[in-house]
Amino acid sequence: ETGVTQTPRHLVMGMTNKKSLKCEQHLGHNAMYWYKQSAKKPLELMFVYNFKEQTENNSVPSRFSPECPNSSHLFLHLHTLQPEDSALYLCASSLRLAGGSSYNEQFFGPGTRLTVL
Amino acid sequence: AQKVTQAQTEISVVEKEDVTLDCVYETRDTTYYLFWYKQPPSGELVFLIRRNSFDEQNEISGRYSWNFQKSTSSFNFTITASQVVDSAVYFCALHTNAGKSTFGDGTTLTVKP
Repeated sequence: ETGVTQTPRHLVMGMTNKKSLKCEQHLGHNAMYWYKQSAKKPLELMFVYNFKEQTENNSVPSRFSPECPNSSHLFLHLHTLQPEDSALYLCASSLRLAGGSSYNEQFFGPGTRLTVL
Repeated sequence: AQKVTQAQTEISVVEKEDVTLDCVYETRDTTYYLFWYKQPPSGELVFLIRRNSFDEQNEISGRYSWNFQKSTSSFNFTITASQVVDSAVYFCALHTNAGKSTFGDGTTLTVKP
């Protein structure tokens, strides 16, 4: 596998279900990101992990819970979602220099198309 | 506050026409990074270019060129002799060392044969 992979590619879940989205990067990067893309707001940054530490949480509801066990893997745990959470969820990774002295381009996965019934 | 504005929601051109996608940004940070990404119908965003705030040199890469002007806070993207394969959503993005990441709302480009 190369680049950034995401599984599953499609997910349909009910409002009472619990599911997880998985992201894996094979690029040796040390920063990972979750984005939500919907018709209402094209690209919303949800969470940022730098060196496995969460550094950004853009007022995301607690029904979304990220987990970054190591620099190659990122999860988004979902529970009691609402229909308006239906969207494309994109994972990305990048290489951050220690001290954050630079900002490199992000590499994106293909996304998980989530439908909440 | 940090903001990226892509005023053109949709653009439609005929193949071989030149097209410019506008991007205007706002930030109080003195060090920042500007990006353009392309999202084809397949859905995966692809990185096109990165510019540092201290490097105003314009760049040309094949049919693509970028015009960065700090005086007007703009980072515009021009495609010369457009092709059908250029049809996609294009996003302009701003990242700062303070850790803020902001994407524009995207411009949907349709190139008709």
